[in-house]
Amino acid sequence: QITLTQQAESLWVSPGEKVSITCRASQSLLYTDGKHYLSWYQQRPGQTTKALIYHASIRTDGVPTRFIGSGSGTEFTLSIEDVQPEDIALYYCLQTLKKPSTFGGGTKLELK
Amino acid sequence: EVQLVESGGGLVQPGASLKLSCVASGFTFSDYWMSWVRQTPGKTMEWIGDIKYDGSYTNYAPSLKNRFTISRDNAKSTLYLQMSNVRSEDTATYYCTSSGKYRFFDYWGQGVMVTVSS
Repeated sequence: QITLTQQAESLWVSPGEKVSITCRASQSLLYTDGKHYLSWYQQRPGQTTKALIYHASIRTDGVPTRFIGSGSGTEFTLSIEDVQPEDIALYYCLQTLKKPSTFGGGTKLELK
Repeated sequence: EVQLVESGGGLVQPGASLKLSCVASGFTFSDYWMSWVRQTPGKTMEWIGDIKYDGSYTNYAPSLKNRFTISRDNAKSTLYLQMSNVRSEDTATYYCTSSGKYRFFDYWGQGVMVTVSS
């Protein structure tokens, strides 16, 4: 199965800063249709888990433009520019290229 | 508004069986693949498996295939997870999620807790 590694378990950030969360896959997530089957999710306490990014770089409806997904092949990044207090959450990457779908270990964004 | 509402969790003894349900609303349930995902107390996320929109095909995580069964009733817009011979390591919060044509998990339920303990 494909392993996803989120190197940082926690990242500390001050409001207004930029932060990047990385996700590395054990094999390429590029499919024959030219798309990467890598998505990003946000989990805030007391709220349902929210999909932020799919196909590595496409924001889902209503996601603020400060959330930016990038990367290709096996290396992917979720960047949050101008971090807001409401961005403090757990973030996961997920691959759906091959079954079983697999998640990264998660990165907790915390306030300095 | 899309809603996925899980139920059926609770405290269960090792070796017992348990069936979770997820009622969907706000979208055409029968158009979507559906998945179950669990999150351990340590916050590790694990995909359990999924089921095709018409219920004709399922996939499972290899480690859970022999004990967990996913089914659906499109007439009731309901997804099910039958868990058998549960173990302490099955203690987790269980989520149902939907997956559309772009193959990401677009909607999630609020989750239901399952605790396996004697």
